[in-house]
Amino acid sequence: GAGVSQSPSNKVTEKGKDVELRCDPISGHTALYWYRQSLGQGLEFLIYFQGNSAPDKSGLPSDRFSAERTGGSVSTLTIQRTQQEDSAVYLCASSLGTGGGGYNEQFFGPGTRLTVL
Amino acid sequence: AQKITQTQPGMFVQEKEAVTLDCTYDTSDPSYGLFWYKQPSSGEMIFLIYQGSYDQQNATEGRYSLNFQKARKSANLVISASQLGDSAMYFCAMRERVRTGANSKLTFGKGITLSVRP
Repeated sequence: GAGVSQSPSNKVTEKGKDVELRCDPISGHTALYWYRQSLGQGLEFLIYFQGNSAPDKSGLPSDRFSAERTGGSVSTLTIQRTQQEDSAVYLCASSLGTGGGGYNEQFFGPGTRLTVL
Repeated sequence: AQKITQTQPGMFVQEKEAVTLDCTYDTSDPSYGLFWYKQPSSGEMIFLIYQGSYDQQNATEGRYSLNFQKARKSANLVISASQLGDSAMYFCAMRERVRTGANSKLTFGKGITLSVRP
């Protein structure tokens, strides 16, 4: 079956431009997460969606970052006025939203590599 | 304070030998879960194994086992019979509030690079 997909796989942009990153979760997964991985670092949580609402936005680093999810499916992460420190791999993950129990494995997409020149 | 600590420098192991990757964690939540993920050079994140804080036994999954020492707050990954394909970055992660059923975030360590020598 199809896994989590992300587009584009690579994005090069100039400082100050806006970018949109897209995530298609696994069908039926109601929970969706965005993480960021800078070079040689672990993953840093950005935002979590349950359905179309975002109960946890605590990881968004500044108000230049925003995300939305529509139809309980596709999510878009938008970075406005990009800065060089935004360069990273942006990973999306999804999981079943049934709650209960701790397992609830998160399945990750291949990521979008963002380079801000 | 870091919630997940992985301090080992790059690790090397001979093919077919066992290797232990260390992970310590910090939480005041009695209900949490610990995960290990593998990230090969291709960049994908591959789930390996899960241990819940209330699980009575250490988790095992094929060649992977988790040495869970709750009092010491450590959750070390043991890979038995290493293979060349095990060469990758390995991340330990924690999810808190698991008993509430909330799909809370994963908090990751900085990772450990493992290289398997033929």
